[in-house]
Amino acid sequence: DTEVTQTPKHLVMGMTNKKSLKCEQHMGHRAMYWYKQKAKKPPELMFVYSYEKLSINESVPSRFSPECPNSSLLNLHLHALQPEDSALYLCASSQLRQGNEKLFFGSGTQLSVL
Amino acid sequence: DAKTTQPNSMESNEEEPVHLPCNHSTISGTDYIHWYRQLPSQGPEYVIHGLTSNVNNRMASLAIAEDRKSSTLILHRATLRDAAVYYCILRVFSGGYNKLIFGAGTRLAVHP
Repeated sequence: DTEVTQTPKHLVMGMTNKKSLKCEQHMGHRAMYWYKQKAKKPPELMFVYSYEKLSINESVPSRFSPECPNSSLLNLHLHALQPEDSALYLCASSQLRQGNEKLFFGSGTQLSVL
Repeated sequence: DAKTTQPNSMESNEEEPVHLPCNHSTISGTDYIHWYRQLPSQGPEYVIHGLTSNVNNRMASLAIAEDRKSSTLILHRATLRDAAVYYCILRVFSGGYNKLIFGAGTRLAVHP
């Protein structure tokens, strides 16, 4: 199983809503990532978890709150988002092998903030 | 962080070789060069990576310049399924952790 599964595939939310994005992998990978991708732009790194601990936060606003409850799951909690936060949110996972990390990406959650 | 520069778009005919260039003049000695591609409505997919030597796998070849300031992804025989955005990426070791820094990408069109 080399899949990273993201749910939901599409999400529409208002600026006052609270929602969560979910990501799951069963490859035994101990690193998991959240990327944000605006239309026709490259993915931008948001967060990195290593061994279920947050290791990189790329100065992401606090309205995005990541959580890694176990080695297979990664969540992104959303609260009080702005319309400019509308984007494709990609989850990825990899082994923690120095220099050789191959990332496996999910298909993403297309988020629209109204 | 080190950055990569790629052409915005390229075109190819089916079954012809494709050479996708990438410049990374500020690369450091420990930065790996990765290539990923992204098909429509999908997440990026790993293609190949290398550090100093040229690399081959079933999908493509990676040619790295001797000074490591540029590299070229080679698709030996393009197919229609190879139409995608190809990202040249530096795997940077920063603050004790590894990060993939995506370039802007090259959109490859493949014509029958």
